[in-house]
Amino acid sequence: NAGVTQTPKFRILKIGQSMTLQCTQDMNHNYMYWYRQDPGMGLKLIYYSVGAGITDKGEVPNGYNVSRSTTEDFPLRLELAAPSQTSVYFCASSYRQGGEKLFFGSGTQLSVL
Amino acid sequence: RKEVEQDPGPFNVPEGATVAFNCTYSNSASQSFFWYRQDCRKEPKLLMSVYSSGNEDGRFTAQLNRASQYISLLIRDSKLSDSATYLCVVNWGVTGGGNKLTFGTGTQLKVEL
Repeated sequence: NAGVTQTPKFRILKIGQSMTLQCTQDMNHNYMYWYRQDPGMGLKLIYYSVGAGITDKGEVPNGYNVSRSTTEDFPLRLELAAPSQTSVYFCASSYRQGGEKLFFGSGTQLSVL
Repeated sequence: RKEVEQDPGPFNVPEGATVAFNCTYSNSASQSFFWYRQDCRKEPKLLMSVYSSGNEDGRFTAQLNRASQYISLLIRDSKLSDSATYLCVVNWGVTGGGNKLTFGTGTQLKVEL
């Protein structure tokens, strides 16, 4: 099993550009999440989804959008990139909610210059 | 007060030593607790859940003290491969779906020859 796959691994954006971070999982998990991790900070939840067609905001959703058209895919869209969005982004999935083990992708290191 | 607090370290210990980390949490309604391990520039991976009665997995022992609102991780006979950042994770419930996981900023462990 591939688990959770994220692409790209690295990206540099100019201020104002847009991009989509891709995330797919092959474990048939209903729950998927996007986190960002800044240096010296804990992971912060951006958006999450409890199943295809259902998404909701996390702690830090501003500047991002998501969609969940299938169980497998949960892309994260950055519109009008800003330097404050420079971070490492992790996609994760879990079989059920409420403290279940999270499976993380390998991360995307994004720099906005 | 931060929701989840950890000493960032680094804890520099010789191989074979015993080392312990504590993590305090502010929400008394927290329901479940975990230790994740994160290697440099890699994704977090679940190390172990923390149960009320305490639990052990090989060289790793986790304890929960609800009265004082902290969890601990003890590593015996440290190996070079234990060098990583250890994230304390607290789940204080589910609201309409999706984990309410709060990640600590992590404690860095360096095991030396």
